[in-house]
Formats: sequence, structure tokens, C-alpha cells
Amino acid sequence: KAGVTQTPRYLIKTRGQQVTLSCSPISGHRSVSWYQQTPGQGLQFLFEYFSETQRNKGNFPGRFSGRQFSNSRSEMNVSTLELGDSALYLCASSPNRVENEQYFGPGTRLTVT
Amino acid sequence: AQKITQTQPGMFVQEKEAVTLDCTYDTSDQSYGLFWYKQPSSGEMIFLIYQGSYDEQNATEGRYSLNFQKARKSANLVISASQLGDSAMYFCAMRPGTLSGSARQLTFGSGTQLTVLP
Repeated sequence: KAGVTQTPRYLIKTRGQQVTLSCSPISGHRSVSWYQQTPGQGLQFLFEYFSETQRNKGNFPGRFSGRQFSNSRSEMNVSTLELGDSALYLCASSPNRVENEQYFGPGTRLTVT
Repeated sequence: AQKITQTQPGMFVQEKEAVTLDCTYDTSDQSYGLFWYKQPSSGEMIFLIYQGSYDEQNATEGRYSLNFQKARKSANLVISASQLGDSAMYFCAMRPGTLSGSARQLTFGSGTQLTVLP
């Protein structure tokens, strides 16, 4: 079974631009969660999508948004990028009704200059 | 609110020896779950082991075991027979109860950087 895939793996953007990151969960998994990892704040939950609906959202500004498609693939978007958005963005997939399994992808490393 | 504390920023262990990575947690939930993940320098978070709050036995997965002490709110990871490939950052994480509506929202600790010495 293929693991969680994230594209692109590396991205360099300029302050003020917007960016879209993609995550394809493990086949059969319908829940996708996104996390931001920075040296200063550590790992922080962004949001979770299940069956195309946002189920939970972390404490991030509205510039951070996401969506999930019918095939469970998810995208997250960050608009008006700031230098502080430079981070490793990780997505995790989880089977339905199973909360003890969360498998992470390799992450997208975003650098904002 | 949930909180995870990992008090060891860095640990060293000799190859083939066992090592314990500390994790304490705080929650008002009766039902919750605890995870340990390994993050090599490549960045990917690798799932190691899971312990549910109602599990009576300590979880084990190969060389990994979780020393779960519920009354002390600790969930330490024990790695037996350390290997050079175990050198990585290790994170303890917690999820809320399944009835909370946010059961997949993980709260992470700050991590412990483990270095295995040859």
C-alpha cells in the first residue's frame, strides 16, 4: 500500500504570494489532517478534513485554508505569505472510525523570502 | 486543553544499549490516546507506537515499548538494543477522546533529539 504523498516537497515563495500544497492520503483513508512545524512553535495542528468537510481547525489566521476532494486528496492554501510561514507542512491520513492510526507524509518544506 | 511535556532536549545512548525517552502529559479527558513518532532529518514523521488510555497492557512494537503510568500521567518510550539508524528526533503526541469531535487533532511535545553512538 502506498503511503501518504505530498507535493511539492520543496517550495520557495516571496512574501505576499500565495501557495497551494497537496496531500494524497493512503488509499481508503478519508481523514486528512495538516500540521505546521517550525523551530520556534514546534508542531501545530492546522485543520482536519473528512469526507470533503472541515471537521476541526487549529488556531491559525484565515490566510490558511484547505479543502478536500471526493477522492480524499486534500489541498491547503496560504494566501499573502509572510516570512513566518516558512515551515515544514505535514499532512497525516487516518482511516475512518480509527483514531489510533495517523500516518504522516514526507512534508512540504516552504521557504518564504 | 491538552499538554505534552518532553523534558529532554537531547539524549545520547551507546549502540546496543536501551534508552528511555520521557513524556508527561496533562489532560482532563478520561479517554485519550498517546503516540510516539520518529522524525529523521529528512522530515517525515514515522509512527512508532500507540497507547490508549484504557489499555491495560503497555504497548509494544518490536524494539519499542511504551511505559504507561496513568496515575503519574507519563508515557515514556523505551527503545531496546539501540541502532545507529535510531538517531532522530522523537515526538510524543496526544489525541483527545473519541467523543470530543476532535479525536484526530494531535498535540505534540517539543521533541527529544536522540543520538546513538557507535
